[in-house]
Amino acid sequence: DAGVIQSPRHEVTEMGQEVTLRCKPISGHNSLFWYRQTMMRGLELLIYFNNNVPIDDSGMPEDRFSAKMPNASFSTLKIQPSEPRDSAVYFCASSLKGVGKSNQPQHFGDGTRLSIL
Amino acid sequence: AQSVAQPEDQVNVAEGNPLTVKCTYSVSGNPYLFWYVQYPNRGLQFLLKYITGDNLVKGSYGFEAEFNKSQTSFHLKKPSALVSDSALYFCAVRDGGNYGGSQGNLIFGKGTKLSVKP
Repeated sequence: DAGVIQSPRHEVTEMGQEVTLRCKPISGHNSLFWYRQTMMRGLELLIYFNNNVPIDDSGMPEDRFSAKMPNASFSTLKIQPSEPRDSAVYFCASSLKGVGKSNQPQHFGDGTRLSIL
Repeated sequence: AQSVAQPEDQVNVAEGNPLTVKCTYSVSGNPYLFWYVQYPNRGLQFLLKYITGDNLVKGSYGFEAEFNKSQTSFHLKKPSALVSDSALYFCAVRDGGNYGGSQGNLIFGKGTKLSVKP
């Protein structure tokens, strides 16, 4: 079975540029999560969607960050303009959530390693 | 508020010896507890979970974890460590009484780096 697919795996760009990270969740999963991982702060939840609707974006650091989920099989995380402090590994995860399903684990993609110069 | 603590940044074990990676948690309701493992340049992989029932939970790759309600702990264990177990381990908790909104999300610990030497 295909897992969560993220692209690109690596991204290097100059500050000020727009960056778009992409995620395809596991088919049938209805919850999607974006995380950021750094050495200093560990794993941080940025935003999560339920049935394509953003539920909690309190972890989004600034207005420069935005996320969309136009359909059940695709989500994007955009940073515009990017800054060096945005350098991190960004993970997408998906799970099946609903009544009686709150104990389902999240399945993670292999992440996008983002470097802003 | 939910929280999870992994008190050790790193655990060093000799191959063949038992290993323990510690985790304590705080939730207002019943806890749903998870362990994940992360290998270099990979995403987190689910190892095991405790929802209810037997306090000793068995998971992938020979790992197990023991839920202790009085100590609010969920330590990860393995009877005999392998060099290939070397990785970053994350404990996570969710409040089992709330699965909607932000309270339905997993709260992750900061991770413990496990190093198994031959």
